[in-house]
Amino acid sequence: QKEVEQDPGPLSVPEGAIVSLNCTYSNSAFQYFMWYRQYSRKGPELLMYTYSSGNKEDGRFTAQVDKSSKYISLFIRDSQPSDSATYLCAMSGGTSGTYKYIFGTGTRLKVLA
Amino acid sequence: DVKVTQSSRYLVKRTGEKVFLECVQDMDHENMFWYRQDPGLGLRLIYFSYDVKMKEKGDIPEGYSVSREKKERFSLILESASTNQTSMYLCASSNYVGTPDFGAGTRLSVL
Repeated sequence: QKEVEQDPGPLSVPEGAIVSLNCTYSNSAFQYFMWYRQYSRKGPELLMYTYSSGNKEDGRFTAQVDKSSKYISLFIRDSQPSDSATYLCAMSGGTSGTYKYIFGTGTRLKVLA
Repeated sequence: DVKVTQSSRYLVKRTGEKVFLECVQDMDHENMFWYRQDPGLGLRLIYFSYDVKMKEKGDIPEGYSVSREKKERFSLILESASTNQTSMYLCASSNYVGTPDFGAGTRLSVL
């Protein structure tokens, strides 16, 4: 079993839709949770960063962490064609150390105009 | 605003060549990382460094080595390139408690 599981998609939605992207994980010691956006042939860029449980909002993006279920989510409101990219979840912490980052394989998102 | 710079976006090399991938960060970060990214496998850690001249193996170090002589520079070396090392290589850096910042990536093809 992988430490982090992420549905690869692709996920296609119409412009303006609310998008929900999710990851599950098995290591209960993870404390730091991140979401990255990666455009085709580019490097990942950090979107959201959350420590421990709870919600965090930044503009159209909301990150949620549910440590009891070992489940994290990224919501995108009013999705735009420019949101079309691959979204990677990442986490770290616990016995692996804060700088041993474990990444999901990414979910490809297409927002249709 | 540039933070992590990888020296090449695209490289084509022949089997058996020695290949150098260079990465420079301008954020004074302690940690630097090399990952490779392959479809369906996600990002896999090759090596990371937490200080000058210090390095630790990641999950897939075989066939690779690294060098960190200066804090801002972290080099990945393919001693004898093979076709199964064709991939996207990503360099990243972070401070002790921060999140990694990535470079734009180097797409390496080994023929």
